[in-house]
Amino acid sequence: NAGVTQTPKFQVLKTGQSMTLQCAQDMNHEYMSWYRQDPGMGLRLIHYSVGAGITDQGEVPNGYNVSRSTTEDFPLRLLSAAPSQTSVYFCASSYGGGELFFGEGSRLTVL
Amino acid sequence: QQPVQSPQAVILREGEDAVINCSSSKALYSVHWYRQKHGEAPVFLMILLKGGEQKGHDKISASFNEKKQQSSLYLTASQLSYSGTYFCGTERANTGFQKLVFGTGTRLLVSP
Repeated sequence: NAGVTQTPKFQVLKTGQSMTLQCAQDMNHEYMSWYRQDPGMGLRLIHYSVGAGITDQGEVPNGYNVSRSTTEDFPLRLLSAAPSQTSVYFCASSYGGGELFFGEGSRLTVL
Repeated sequence: QQPVQSPQAVILREGEDAVINCSSSKALYSVHWYRQKHGEAPVFLMILLKGGEQKGHDKISASFNEKKQQSSLYLTASQLSYSGTYFCGTERANTGFQKLVFGTGTRLLVSP
């Protein structure tokens, strides 16, 4: 099992550009979520999903969109990147609300 | 609302003990604990469910006081490998599904 796979690992964007962070898991987990991590702020929940077709907002959803068309995939879309979205992004999944399995992270820089 | 962790940072010598606290102003269903090493993803340590249970994992254990909405992580006879940032994640009661909100973390440094 690959676990949770995130791509890309690194990305540099210019302000206003759009992009999608990919997340895929092969553990058949119902729950998937996206967090951003900034120095001194811990992990902040952006969006989460409890199953295919069901998504909801977390603590800091503005500027991000998600969809969940399959159990395996949970992409995070930045519609118009801003410097404030410079961060490390982690995708995570779990089965039945238990242990969160994290991807390796995607480091995004917005210039 | 993010849970509050204390202390923000701890420096220990190998073999010493430490306690990290996590508190919430909301009624909780569960508390998770994770450790993150620099440049890596967080790694799961344990989950505590409401009911005041205590769990252990080698020399790391935790408790959950449901009435006070507080959890504590106990690190006993610390090892160099314990260094990292510890996060508690809380799941509020009656939310119906996992919406885990993390604290800002406690940095732990264990020196020889």
